[in-house]
Order: sequence, then C-alpha cells, then structure tokens
Amino acid sequence: EVQLVESGGGLVQPGGSLRLSCAASGFTFGSYVMAWVRQAPGKGLEWVSAISGNGYSTYYTDYAKGRFTISRDKSKDTVYLQMSSLSVDDTAAYFCAKASGSAWPYFFDYWGQGTLVTVSS
Amino acid sequence: EIVLTQSPGTLSLSPGEGATLSCRASQSVSNNNLAWYQQKPGQAPRLLIYATSSRAADIPDRFSGSGSGTDFALTISRLEPEDFAVYYCQQYGTSRTFGQGTKVEIK
Repeated sequence: EVQLVESGGGLVQPGGSLRLSCAASGFTFGSYVMAWVRQAPGKGLEWVSAISGNGYSTYYTDYAKGRFTISRDKSKDTVYLQMSSLSVDDTAAYFCAKASGSAWPYFFDYWGQGTLVTVSS
Repeated sequence: EIVLTQSPGTLSLSPGEGATLSCRASQSVSNNNLAWYQQKPGQAPRLLIYATSSRAADIPDRFSGSGSGTDFALTISRLEPEDFAVYYCQQYGTSRTFGQGTKVEIK
C-alpha cells in the first residue's frame, strides 16, 4: 500500500524558513517523480515543485523559484521541501504527491494527508 | 501557462441524480493529458480519471471522463452520498495546472 506522510509544518513568521518532509513507502521510491502541491485555506490546488526519481532534475513554479528547494534522500525514501523568505501568501496545506511515472508527462496518483504551514507574525 | 476554467462553480443535486462537470482549457491540452481529482473536506485529493477517460484503480464505473482539445467533462452517472465533494481537473500536457474546482453539494 502506497503511503505518503508529511511533517514539518507549523507557524512561522514572515521572512522565516521551514523544511517539510514526506516519508514514502509501499513503492519503489527512486522510480517515480515526487512533487509538492499546496492549497491555501478555502482555495484550490497549486503545484509547487517536483523532483525526478534520481534527484538530478528539479522543477518549480514561478513563485517558488529562488525561495524553495526540493530534494530527496533515497536512503530514507523521503522527499523534502525547504522553504525560505516565507510570506503570508505561502500559508497553505502542503501535500506531497507521487507522480504516475518517472518522467514527463505524469499525473499524481497518490497524495499524502498534507501538512499545514501558517505564516503570520 | 494553460488556464483551466471549471464550471459550474457549484452544482446542487440530489443523490441518484447525474452530474456533468466541465473543464475548459485556454489552449489545447497536449495529448489530452487531463486528470480529475476528488477532494472531501479535510482530506487529500484522490485521483479519479487520467488521460481524459481512464479510470484510476478502484474508482467506480459511475465516474467517466470525456473530451478532447480544450473541452473536457467529468460525468457522474448516479450520485451516491459519498460523491458530494469538490472536483478538480488538472492538465499535465504542458507543465501542470489545476482548475479552480467545482463543488458538488447536496440539494
């Protein structure tokens, strides 16, 4: 059974940093692209970032470039999202998602339950 | 960036009725790479449909997808109580974008 368990969310001040983690199990971790998708309170889904199975290729939406860094650790079957220079607009639930394949194009076939990030002073 | 516009914003229906949700793209979706997800309050999204019309594992056959190019639809043939939720379309032909969602609520 595929499981994705996020952690690391919480309250952070504007300008602060946070690292999210997503522990994966139930599939061959290194064979799939992994991604982060966020959802602001009461809003829709927004793709944030993705990383290739081998970790060599990373992709970011415009607002994440230069502020967020996605990485993965194959020894721990875990994907991370390091977020810095956070603003109130980054307040959202952050979902970890498993892609359907190892390369583009892919959709998201499994999702974690999400971790809430609140940016507030 | 391809913009996906879903309509209607809210659909008020009774259990047993059919539902048709629309997803219109601002430009043609490459290879009809369009997916649909269901999300219930406080839960993660769940994949329903991929490649426009292929049902994901364990998805009941009352859910079906159709369309091509810029116009796509998700049809629920007979609404069950557990189908009342928000539905999102997503294109993955050119980068990846989501629609704003359609809420299916109990009338």
